[in-house]
This record gives sequence, C-alpha cells and structure tokens, in this order.
Amino acid sequence: DIQMTQSPSSLSASVGDRVTITCRASRSISTYLNWYQQKPGKAPNLLIYGTSSLRSGVPSRFRGSGSGIDFALTISSLQPEDFAIYYCQQSYTTPWTFGQGTKVEVK
Amino acid sequence: QVQLQESGPGLVKPSETLSLTCTVSGDSISGYFWSWIRQTPGKGLEWIGYIYHGGSTTYNPSLQSRVTMSVDTSMNQFSLQLTSVTAADAAVYYCARGYRYGDGYYYFDSWGQGTLVTVSS
Repeated sequence: DIQMTQSPSSLSASVGDRVTITCRASRSISTYLNWYQQKPGKAPNLLIYGTSSLRSGVPSRFRGSGSGIDFALTISSLQPEDFAIYYCQQSYTTPWTFGQGTKVEVK
Repeated sequence: QVQLQESGPGLVKPSETLSLTCTVSGDSISGYFWSWIRQTPGKGLEWIGYIYHGGSTTYNPSLQSRVTMSVDTSMNQFSLQLTSVTAADAAVYYCARGYRYGDGYYYFDSWGQGTLVTVSS
C-alpha cells in the first residue's frame, strides 16, 4: 500500500494567515492526489483533485501543488470557516489511501 | 444535486455480519464508482472498496476476505457486507461517489453523512 504522511498533524493559525500543509507519498503517485476538508460531525468534502484542480465552488484561496511524492495544500488567507481537518488521498493505485489528517486550529 | 444516505444497524455483535445500504438520490447510479470508506480515531480514513454500476468490484486487500459489495440499479442503491466483525471494525462508515476522469484519475465528490457502527455483544 502507498502510505500518505501529512505534516504537521496540527497547526494553530489566525484569520488571515497563510497556511501550508504538506503530504508525502511513500512512492511516486504522479499527480494522483486529492485534498478533502472535514468539519466536526460531517463527512469529508472534496476541495482539490488531480493535485491542483479546484473543485467548482471552492474558494480560490485554496491551492494545491506538487508531483511525484511531495504535495502541498496552501490556504492563502485563512478564513473562519477554514478551521477544520484536511486530508490528502492518493488515487494512483488501489487500495486508495488517505493521510492521517492535519487539524487547523484557532491560534 | 446527488445525495447519499447510509442505512443499517448501528450495533453489530462480534463475529456477526455488518450490513449497510447506501441510497442514492438526485442522480443515476450509473457511470460512477461507489465506495465504502470508514473512519476511526485510531486508523483515520480507510477505503474499503468500490463497486461500479455494472457490478465489478475492487476491494482493499486488508479486508477483501470479509467484504462483499453489491449494487441494485433499479433501487439506486449499493450495499456493503462485512463478515466476522470484531471491535476493530467499529467505525463511522461512509458511502461515497467516486468519479473517474482523464487517465485514471479518481476522486470522491459526494459522501453520505456517515453512520456509526458499534461492535458489542
């Protein structure tokens, strides 16, 4: 299985901050990388697919980048509704696997 | 807009079979890959497997010996059966729609709200 490792596991930030979450695959996954946001008591919600394609309706402050084994999700200016847990997920090969999550908390 | 809703028992006895159904509304079940994903505080999000509308399946090898998925296109539903459950199978179970595009890219674009399954006698 391809292991997905996110860092940090959690971070504290303020509204307006630029936040970057990284995701590393245990082997190359090209650009087969998706990002999801999960809020308490809710299912994950797709933000970015194919490493850098923004899902329709997702604010442009979210940006995905990377290829191979290293990927990043950047939120350019954190908004109150962005405090949540973020997960990366590889779709390069089954079994599809997720990172352990990064919790973005209020500083 | 597509909506997914999981249903099934919230409590399953050890060694018995967990059975869940996902009802899809707002869109046809055809043309998509329908997955089951579970989440626990300890292991995080774990993909269990998917079934294509035609009935072909791919399962996570870690669960393959205990998992069966089926689809009922007439009812716009798909189902999960997990046999011989233990406490390790207790989780929030999500059904999700998988969309394939391009050169084999997939993503989960719609999820059910999730259903908590407890394993206890």
